Amino acid sequence: AQKITQTQPGMFVQEKEAVTLDCTYDTSDQSYGLFWYKQPSSGEMIFLIYQGSYDEQNATEGRYSLNFQKARKSANLVISASQLGDSAMYFCAMREGGYSSASKIIFGSGTRLSIRP
Amino acid sequence: EPEVTQTPSHQVTQMGQEVILRCVPISNHLYFYWYRQILGQKVEFLVSFYNNEISEKSEIFDDQFSVERPDGSNFTLKIRSTKLEDSAMYFCASTPLSGRVTDTQYFGPGTRLTVL
Repeated sequence: AQKITQTQPGMFVQEKEAVTLDCTYDTSDQSYGLFWYKQPSSGEMIFLIYQGSYDEQNATEGRYSLNFQKARKSANLVISASQLGDSAMYFCAMREGGYSSASKIIFGSGTRLSIRP
Repeated sequence: EPEVTQTPSHQVTQMGQEVILRCVPISNHLYFYWYRQILGQKVEFLVSFYNNEISEKSEIFDDQFSVERPDGSNFTLKIRSTKLEDSAMYFCASTPLSGRVTDTQYFGPGTRLTVL
């Protein structure tokens, strides 16, 4: 069963606009962590933001925020004031287990974001 | 800022040859991982490694694959007899397990393996 679902294979956004990348997940664990990674065309995986299942507040890191809706099992990434350098592939991912779990990360299929000047 | 490093950045090999992909995890990290990403596909877990032992492995990680931490800094992935379908980007990752909520897996830049 697919554990991480990203329904937007590609998105185009005008520079300086905000963009929301969708992610839903499936787990029976009570403790889990949700991640977003950015993969530019150069190929590396860049960690962006983390949300723990017990976190009461949505995570924020600079222009990135995670809209965590636990009951809906969604963890959407919001990028405010998009920049040309935000053009990349974005992966939603999940790690089951508690905060210090060393479990593997399971990735979604990704969303390719393209920012138009 | 400390980072995971991987060498080489690109490896081209003939089918049937052995390859060793090298990684230097962040120095105070305790758990190490290998993932792979076939071109245009999602990132897939291969294996995790802790205390000089494999902790978990996926179905992909068959007898052709092995991992080793030969010294205090390097973490290697060996593919004994490469196949065309082994062509992919291979990512090494590590995590500190410090007990803090921000524990995450930090990825290296990847090694692109091309099997001809």
